[in-house]
Amino acid sequence: QVHLVESGGGVVQPGRSLRLSCVTSGFTFSHHGMHWVRQAPGKGLEWVAVIWYDGNNEYYADSVKGRFTISRDSSKDTVYLQMNALRVDDTARYYCARDSSSGLTYFDYWGQGTLVTVTS
Amino acid sequence: DIQLTQSPSSLSASVGDRVTITCRASQGVATWLAWYQQRPEKAPKSLIYAASVLQNGVPSRFSGSGSGTDFTLTITGLQPEDFATYYCQHYNSDRLTFGGGTKIEI
Repeated sequence: QVHLVESGGGVVQPGRSLRLSCVTSGFTFSHHGMHWVRQAPGKGLEWVAVIWYDGNNEYYADSVKGRFTISRDSSKDTVYLQMNALRVDDTARYYCARDSSSGLTYFDYWGQGTLVTVTS
Repeated sequence: DIQLTQSPSSLSASVGDRVTITCRASQGVATWLAWYQQRPEKAPKSLIYAASVLQNGVPSRFSGSGSGTDFTLTITGLQPEDFATYYCQHYNSDRLTFGGGTKIEI
């Protein structure tokens, strides 16, 4: 079955960088777009970014555009989120989610998330 | 960006109740709308896509309807495991957004 396992979260100071990873298994990675979705403590869900099934397109939420970069490595069935210039309001649990198709649709499988805390 | 407004933000219900949650979009999204369930301290789970299509394995007591700007999620015969927070999400543009969530409490 489909598995998504995130890692790379932790405590970081404002202005610093962090890279999250999401290792996938149980499906043909190159057939699906991949997303990152975050959830601040006690808050709702916020879509962060998507990368197309072939890696040729990326889209970002305005709140992270220019600071975050999504990428994928098909040789490792892994998607990444490079987060630069982190701010206190980036504190959240970050979920990796599989797109039901090639890119901008809905999320049919989710990982358990990794917690990012930005604090001085 | 397309805004999604869910109502109510929370509700109290009992096992066996019929519950309806609404999701209103700031502009038309056709039927490009999905619903998710999130139990406490768990990852979200896909329930419905294309406004009314049940994801594999989702019990038939869940149903979705609507198109354009107005959508509903209905649970007929609430079960103990259904007490959770529910989110709608549109996929009609390159800026995906979620509704604010509806928490169903006992």
